[in-house]
Amino acid sequence: ILNVEQSPQSLHVQEGDSTNFTCSFPSSNFYALHWYRWETAKSPEALFVMTLNGDEKKKGRISATLNTKEGYSYLYIKGSQPEDSATYLCALGAGNMLTFGGGTRLMVKP
Amino acid sequence: DVKVTQSSRYLVKRTGEKVFLECVQDMDHENMFWYRQDPGLGLRLIYFSYDVKMKEKGDIPEGYSVSREKKERFSLILESASTSQTSMYLCASSLVSIGYTFGSGTRLTVV
Repeated sequence: ILNVEQSPQSLHVQEGDSTNFTCSFPSSNFYALHWYRWETAKSPEALFVMTLNGDEKKKGRISATLNTKEGYSYLYIKGSQPEDSATYLCALGAGNMLTFGGGTRLMVKP
Repeated sequence: DVKVTQSSRYLVKRTGEKVFLECVQDMDHENMFWYRQDPGLGLRLIYFSYDVKMKEKGDIPEGYSVSREKKERFSLILESASTSQTSMYLCASSLVSIGYTFGSGTRLTVV
């Protein structure tokens, strides 16, 4: 079983704050790193797939970086809004399989 | 719009009942997966399937079985439901090496 860890487990921020959280994974035999956003009562939604060391992806106010040599990825949210409140999942891809971390639950207060 | 549909959003079942959770996808994906999500534990893989009539155990298969008689449908079966199986269940499908498309989940409560 691959060990994928996310920190923090939960996070409360004020509207307008910028925030970031971490996904750690084994650096050996890396294939792909996925980020998902899971809002309450909805399906998890794919944000990014990253495969190369040094990859940076951006989607609106959300961006992610990848360091495969040291085994971590950061997700950044600039100027958090209440609609950003969700659980953010990272997953390590290998072949057809994804192994998920425990998620970071983000709550943005207006 | 591509879809993974789970038959029930909420279910309440009694201990010892046989429970069927259904998942249907319309994307012609080969791979289908069943996960459960519990607070602090993330998504844990129960079973997956690479093709019709194929099934593989995931990390936590005990107490569950699956059925995939048609490509589009992947069923999760709780042979004799227990309170420890109270959880959120998520179905997903994928093509090889591409990310998952998830259903909206079934919140199962076993009383």
